[in-house]
Amino acid sequence: GAVVSQHPSWVICKSGTSVKIECRSLDFQATTMFWYRQFPKQSLMLMATSNEGSKATYEQGVEKDKFLINHASLTLSTLTVTSAHPEDSSFYICSARREPPETYEQYFGPGTRLTVT
Amino acid sequence: SQQGEEDPQALSIQEGENATMNCSYKTSINNLQWYRQNSGRGLVHLILIRSNEREKHSGRLRVTLDTSKKSSSLLITASRAADTASYFCATDVRYGGSQGNLIFGKGTKLSVKP
Repeated sequence: GAVVSQHPSWVICKSGTSVKIECRSLDFQATTMFWYRQFPKQSLMLMATSNEGSKATYEQGVEKDKFLINHASLTLSTLTVTSAHPEDSSFYICSARREPPETYEQYFGPGTRLTVT
Repeated sequence: SQQGEEDPQALSIQEGENATMNCSYKTSINNLQWYRQNSGRGLVHLILIRSNEREKHSGRLRVTLDTSKKSSSLLITASRAADTASYFCATDVRYGGSQGNLIFGKGTKLSVKP
C-alpha cells in the first residue's frame, strides 16, 4: 500500500502562536508533496507544492511567509502556520506522489484540524 | 483556483438506488480522479480515468469521461448507507510549471437513506 500520515490529527492553539504539521509517506518515497486547505463544507484548495530539497511553490494568494513549508527528506514535509489567527482555522490535508511516478495517483493523509482561539 | 464543478451539490437517495454525480472542468487534463471524503476525514481515492479513456469500472463504480465536453460522471450502483459521503472530482492539469497537482471540484454531498 501507499500510506501517508499526518501529525497531529487535531490541534488547538492560541492566536499569535505557530503550529507545525507533519506529513509523512510511510512506505514510499515522495519527491513531491502537496498541501491543501479545506474550510467547512467546502472543497480542497491547493496551497503549495512541496519539493524535496528545494523551495516550495505557492499558489496565488497564499502567503509564503505565513505558511512555511520544509521538505527535508523524501518521506517528510512540514507545514508551519506562523502567527496563527482564527481565520487560519481549517482542515489541512497533505498528499504525496510516489516516486518514481508509477501512476498519477496521489495518496492523501488523514488531515489535521487546526483551531485557533 | 477551482477547475471542476460538480452537480448536483447535494443528492439524497434510498438504499439500493443508483447515484449519479457529474463533474465539468475547464482546461485540458491528463487524467481525472474521483475521491470520497467522509465528514471531517481524509480523502479516499476511488478511481482514475486517463484522458484517452472513455469509461472505467471498479466494483459498483462506473466513471465516464467526455473530453470534448470536458465532463465526467460517477455512477454508484446499488447504493448503500455506507456510501454516504462527499464525492469530489479532481483534475490532473499539466501545463508549464505545473507539477501535476490536482485541482478539486466543489463536491457532491451524497446521502443514502437506509
